[in-house]
Amino acid sequence: AQRVTQPEKLLSVFKGAPVELKCNYSYSGSPELFWYVQYSRQRLQLLLRHISRESIKGFTADLNKGETSFHLKKPFAQEEDSAMYYCAPHNDYKLSFGAGTTVTVRA
Amino acid sequence: DAEITQSPRHKITETGRQVTLACHQTWNHNNMFWYRQDLGHGLRLIHYSYGVQDTNKGEVSDGYSVSRSNTEDLPLTLESAASSQTSVYFCASSELAGTNTGELFFGEGSRLTVL
Repeated sequence: AQRVTQPEKLLSVFKGAPVELKCNYSYSGSPELFWYVQYSRQRLQLLLRHISRESIKGFTADLNKGETSFHLKKPFAQEEDSAMYYCAPHNDYKLSFGAGTTVTVRA
Repeated sequence: DAEITQSPRHKITETGRQVTLACHQTWNHNNMFWYRQDLGHGLRLIHYSYGVQDTNKGEVSDGYSVSRSNTEDLPLTLESAASSQTSVYFCASSELAGTNTGELFFGEGSRLTVL
């Protein structure tokens, strides 16, 4: 069965500390992978996609096909990074979402 | 500016009543989706559509229906509301094909409470 797992429901880090959000997927074929973010009182929005290999707001994500993982990382967390983050494989023109990780960055 | 809007933003209803949540997008996207967001479950796909007159069931479609009579709208209907359907509902749209099909544009959400 196709599945995406985000093992951490909550993640609390201090400002300036590194943050890593884990995502593991179990999908047939080679799905595209995305990270979506929902800031407080804002809409869900795309953060980054693996195919573009970009760094957005200091975040990067490496697709590891061997481990079927797509972890999101930022070396120095900022308070404005506090949000809910969703890992989302894309297949057949639709996205499936993980359960999400709530990140709190403390001053 | 193109956008996607949902209405109502908040609704309280009683068990057994029929409820319809509206979703309207001006992106001219062919793909439209309905998700529900619940603590511990993240976002789960209810129904989706790839174009006019096309509708498909998602992973949690029981008790819900959609119709697609034009490009802009995908209303979600709860035939007989149940307390288990208390949730926040998100509508989203995306392009039909090309490199940007993974980017969903989301509405602001509709919070439904079933008493």
